[in-house]
Amino acid sequence: DTEVIQTPKHLVMGMTNKKSLKCEQHMGHRAMYWYKQKAKKPPELMFVYSYEKLSINESVPSRFSPECPNSSLLNLHLHALQPEDSALYLCASGQIDLTDTQYFGPGTRLTVL
Amino acid sequence: AQRVTQPEKLLSVFKGAPVELKCNYSYSGSPELFWYVQYSRQRLQLLLRHISRESIKGFTADLNKGETSFHLKKPFAQEEDSAMYYCAPQGGKLIFGQGTELSVKP
Repeated sequence: DTEVIQTPKHLVMGMTNKKSLKCEQHMGHRAMYWYKQKAKKPPELMFVYSYEKLSINESVPSRFSPECPNSSLLNLHLHALQPEDSALYLCASGQIDLTDTQYFGPGTRLTVL
Repeated sequence: AQRVTQPEKLLSVFKGAPVELKCNYSYSGSPELFWYVQYSRQRLQLLLRHISRESIKGFTADLNKGETSFHLKKPFAQEEDSAMYYCAPQGGKLIFGQGTELSVKP
């Protein structure tokens, strides 16, 4: 399997809801990433996990909580989001070396009402 | 500070014309340099990376360390090249340029 899988494809949530985004890869990659992408803008790095440990947190608000249960899975838990958090959330994976190619999932389109 | 600049937000050319998408970067150390492409309704994917020195879909990119540039070029643009292109230096910091939307008209 050479793809990064993200679920769900679309998510609509209220500001008081709790939801989770899921990401899965079976390429043996030991680095996994969360990005946020607004329309017609580049991806903005949120978190990096290396060997299931959080290695980079780009000063993301605590209403976003990442989790890496094992080397193949990455979750992003969402709670008390704001409408401005509406965006496409991308997961990516790659080799442990940050200079290596990243493989992106199709993204989850999140709408916060 | 780490910075990457893609000066053209939109580049429109006719089919068969040459195309050059510019990328300039300011980055401490020696980053690895990538071009990623995002076709309409498709996932972001690697187009090419400097270290492999490949030509993918007719595109090449030349690293100029003196000018700190990594421009993407193709001699004859095709309609299917229409997409969003991002320059991305990667090292201790992962950053993407603002992107250039390439539109190839018939």
